[in-house]
Amino acid sequence: GDSVTQMEGPVTLSEEAFLTINCTYTATGYPSLFWYVQYPGEGLQLLLKATKADDKGSNKGFEATYRKETTSFHLEKGSVQVSDSAVYFCALSGQAGTALIFGKGTTLSVSS
Amino acid sequence: GAVVSQHPSRVICKSGTSVKIECRSLDFQATTMFWYRQFPKQSLMLMATSNEGSKATYEQGVEKDKFLINHASLTLSTLTVTSAHPEDSSFYICSARGPLGDTEAFFGQGTRLTVV
Repeated sequence: GDSVTQMEGPVTLSEEAFLTINCTYTATGYPSLFWYVQYPGEGLQLLLKATKADDKGSNKGFEATYRKETTSFHLEKGSVQVSDSAVYFCALSGQAGTALIFGKGTTLSVSS
Repeated sequence: GAVVSQHPSRVICKSGTSVKIECRSLDFQATTMFWYRQFPKQSLMLMATSNEGSKATYEQGVEKDKFLINHASLTLSTLTVTSAHPEDSSFYICSARGPLGDTEAFFGQGTRLTVV
């Protein structure tokens, strides 16, 4: 079945460092891909998405490109801030109307 | 974007009592909603899919008699934790896919349940 694999954390960075969180997927068909962010004690918020191959999703300085050839959707940010500290989830859409399929989440901790 | 509201955000209850958590889609109709459970520092575990007007579909290993799901309208799904025990303490999150079908999911704020 469909699945998402993302790098395990925690990832610890200093402010202004470059961030990469790897995400690869296995899916039949052509899923949409998502990155969600979860701040402590809160639900998930959509960070960015891409719906077809070569699409680049971007938001708040974060970017991810839908790479069909490598089945990847790596999250990147050029300069992280302390406020980016959170848990990041990679996800893909399965069949319409079904629950998204999530990776296990990666905890990012940014220190000043 | 679409808004999903979950209530309460935090609840403490005594062992043996039941707790109801509400999940509402505020500006769209959601024929299907999803309930997740999240343990500390762990990923989301899908518990069940809630279908408006029909029985929920539970994931393997989830006790349907303990976690009662009702989806009585196109904007409201409820999760009732019956006869709660301390091991049911967790963070529960609901979500709904967007109104156009194959779009992103929108999440409620989550409910922190503590059973004492």
